[in-house]
Amino acid sequence: SQKIEQNSEALNIQEGKTATLTCNYTNYSPAYLQWYRQDPGRGPVFLLLIRENEKEKRKERLKVTFDTTLKQSLFHITASQPADSATYLCALRSNDYKLSFGAGTTVTVRA
Amino acid sequence: GAVVSQHPSWVICKSGTSVKIECRSLDFQATTMFWYRQFPKQSLMLMATSNEGSKATYEQGVEKDKFLINHASLTLSTLTVTSAHPEDSSFYICSVRKSVAGGSNQPQHFGDGTRLSIL
Repeated sequence: SQKIEQNSEALNIQEGKTATLTCNYTNYSPAYLQWYRQDPGRGPVFLLLIRENEKEKRKERLKVTFDTTLKQSLFHITASQPADSATYLCALRSNDYKLSFGAGTTVTVRA
Repeated sequence: GAVVSQHPSWVICKSGTSVKIECRSLDFQATTMFWYRQFPKQSLMLMATSNEGSKATYEQGVEKDKFLINHASLTLSTLTVTSAHPEDSSFYICSVRKSVAGGSNQPQHFGDGTRLSIL
């Protein structure tokens, strides 16, 4: 069966440090992978999309890597700030074009 | 600004009540909208795909007679939870994606969700 696993349920880091989140998948052959941010009681907000032929993508303090051999994506938040505290979700499109989500990693940045 | 408007944001009602949730696409026409459900500390689970002018497509295990979906226009989809019971209490979120060539590669835009609590 298809699975998307975000291996850390929660991540606590000190302000200014880099947070690294992992997304592993099985039985998908994705053309791209997406990352979303979800705040408590809110819907997810799109952050980044990375295609299978892209190794790395950056947006401001965010960096995403995509390794289709390892079937893994890493999501980095550099110079983290308390405002970065949220749940981060990775998402993959299945063969029937529907978007499936991992359970998310909740990041807490301490001042 | 918001791309998707979802109402209401919070509903508390008695068991047996039917509840309607509206999802509006504000920035573009959406022939397809998606309805998700999320339980605490769990992933978003796709319930159904709402298709403008035709029947919705439901995921396995989702009762179509329980969760009625109407997509009467290119900017509005509604989800009605019929005869709701406590086990239907959850966070319901709608989503839209631009209907363009290669649209399946487009990011999805989400509403702010509806917290449904059935007493």
